[in-house]
Amino acid sequence: DGGITQSPKYLFRKEGQNVTLSCEQNLNHDAMYWYRQDPGQGLRLIYYSQIVNDFQKGDIAEGYSVSREKKESFPLTVTSAQKNPTAFYLCASRGQGENTEAFFGQGTRLTVV
Amino acid sequence: QQQVKQSPQSLIVQKGGISIINCAYENTAFDYFPWYQQFPGKGPALLIAIRPDVSEKKEGRFTISFNKSAKQFSLHIMDSQPGDSATYFCAARVIGGSRLTFGEGTQLTVNP
Repeated sequence: DGGITQSPKYLFRKEGQNVTLSCEQNLNHDAMYWYRQDPGQGLRLIYYSQIVNDFQKGDIAEGYSVSREKKESFPLTVTSAQKNPTAFYLCASRGQGENTEAFFGQGTRLTVV
Repeated sequence: QQQVKQSPQSLIVQKGGISIINCAYENTAFDYFPWYQQFPGKGPALLIAIRPDVSEKKEGRFTISFNKSAKQFSLHIMDSQPGDSATYFCAARVIGGSRLTFGEGTQLTVNP
């Protein structure tokens, strides 16, 4: 089945540690996105990539980093510079064309302990 | 900054009633307006979407109404059911753009 897989579903991080969230898609989509979801704030864009080996900062990129070495993979690293990393992280992908929709993964809930 | 404002933040409706969620935007370059439905612990899924060349789009019990001059659009859920209880997000995308801008979300509860 085609889709987007995020792993792990739950992740715990100690303060001061970097942690990487995985996002893999087999939809052959060119564009991939990372969003952060906090209660009452909707989905805020962290980073997005429209093509392999290229990515752009979203609205809240500080404290995060990404890579896009393969079309199907777009991992997100939450660095120790992110002051409030506890949140629900969502990955999405979209194909080419104006009428294509974005498909979301099931999310990773990150908690700093 | 491109913004989409969504209201209400939460909504409680009786089974069989009509749920109405409203969104307003500022950027006139937006040309694609989807609504997403999200259940707890899951990722959002596309519910219905509209372009500004039509004023209304209906899919089953879900209808989007679009007012281009007022820069507003709304989601109507007819005959609301307990299974519709979820968080709903409106969003918008610029012509030729890649990124979606989301509203703050509405938590809908439909009581049996």
